[in-house]
Amino acid sequence: DAGVIQSPRHEVTEMGQEVTLRCKPISGHDYLFWYRQTMMRGLELLIYFNNNVPIDDSGMPEDRFSAKMPNASFSTLKIQPSEPRDSAVYFCASSLEYLKTQYFGPGTRLLVL
Amino acid sequence: AQSVTQLDSQVPVFEEAPVELRCNYSSSVSVYLFWYVQYPNQGLQLLLKYLSGSTLVKGINGFEAEFNKSQTSFHLRKPSVHISDTAEYFCAVILGFQKLVFGTGTRLLVSP
Repeated sequence: DAGVIQSPRHEVTEMGQEVTLRCKPISGHDYLFWYRQTMMRGLELLIYFNNNVPIDDSGMPEDRFSAKMPNASFSTLKIQPSEPRDSAVYFCASSLEYLKTQYFGPGTRLLVL
Repeated sequence: AQSVTQLDSQVPVFEEAPVELRCNYSSSVSVYLFWYVQYPNQGLQLLLKYLSGSTLVKGINGFEAEFNKSQTSFHLRKPSVHISDTAEYFCAVILGFQKLVFGTGTRLLVSP
């Protein structure tokens, strides 16, 4: 298995632009998680899905952030409009069950200028 | 309230020395504990986990951790570290049936 796949690996954009991060979970995994990692706040859970349905989005910082999972093999995290404080590494992870091991993707390093 | 605490932000050690990375969590009836490692510019990788059963858990790369309910701790240990163990280590917990929460991380620096 190729593991969790994220794209792009790096994204540099200007303030106000729309940013879309993509994730392909491991096949057969029913749970998908989006995390954000910054020096100041560490690793934060933004949102997670079970069987393509969003279960807990309490970690989404504000309405500029949205996440979708149209099917079992694809999810997006969108920021519109982006701001410099959104600069971070965004990780996607997937797992078979909620308490089972989460497998992380390599992350997308986002820089908003 | 912080669910998981990693008191040491950085731990410098010499190669082949033993190391312990500390992790304490908020008390709960049910708890599930994890240690993840993050190498530079990479995603997180599971080292080991405790869900139930034996309190001594062995993981990959020679690491082990012991679940201590009375002290609400889950410290990570390795008897002899290598240069390649230099990385950031994250303790994570699920308390009750809530979401996975990560500690702030401990940077392990192994020098020759």
